[in-house]
Amino acid sequence: QQPVQSPQAVILREGEDAVINCSSSKALYSVHWYRQKHGEAPVFLMILLKGGEQKGHDKISASFNEKKQQSSLYLTASQLSYSGTYFCGTLSGNQFYFGTGTSLTVIP
Amino acid sequence: SAVISQKPSRDICQRGTSLTIQCQVDSQVTMMFWYRQQPGQSLTLIATANQGSEATYESGFVIDKFPISRPNLTFSTLTVSNMSPEDSSIYLCSVVEGSARRDTQYFGPGTRLTVL
Repeated sequence: QQPVQSPQAVILREGEDAVINCSSSKALYSVHWYRQKHGEAPVFLMILLKGGEQKGHDKISASFNEKKQQSSLYLTASQLSYSGTYFCGTLSGNQFYFGTGTSLTVIP
Repeated sequence: SAVISQKPSRDICQRGTSLTIQCQVDSQVTMMFWYRQQPGQSLTLIATANQGSEATYESGFVIDKFPISRPNLTFSTLTVSNMSPEDSSIYLCSVVEGSARRDTQYFGPGTRLTVL
């Protein structure tokens, strides 16, 4: 029931792009994305609702394919501040689960 | 967005003792949750704290081990009872700002617990 994220870890140079995927075995109503820096609480990034929408702000965007029960988070022109662990959270029925997490490190 | 505080921020406890963690929100919220995050792992939901009634526990978590109180819409406590080293973890409270589970969820800063 826990969504699976890929990749587990990625290292980027500043300015490079990355894609983080979140896949569920259950039909989803919504997908949430969070970023957690070491020693801190998760910080909300965005929510995507059923309907196949795409969202974005600044250089971070996401898509949600409800038929495939998948969501992807896109980070473009990465900055050092993007480093952290990214979690998707999926809502299926009234059950909410956090994904396995993706560690992203941006180096100069 | 809701501002959430937790006390204590960290503690080191002896095996067999209990610790109560407090979560305070600066506004009234309907939905409040307690999570556990073990080092390097994802977040696992312990329970939903229900105002005025017993908490709803997830599979693998029981009230005797993790009693929860929610006396009003801005405050909750989680007690970790009869602790063992396996309980060493970060405990986070979270709230949903809105009336639906799909709405934005915000987290408190967490309580880092070490059990010796």
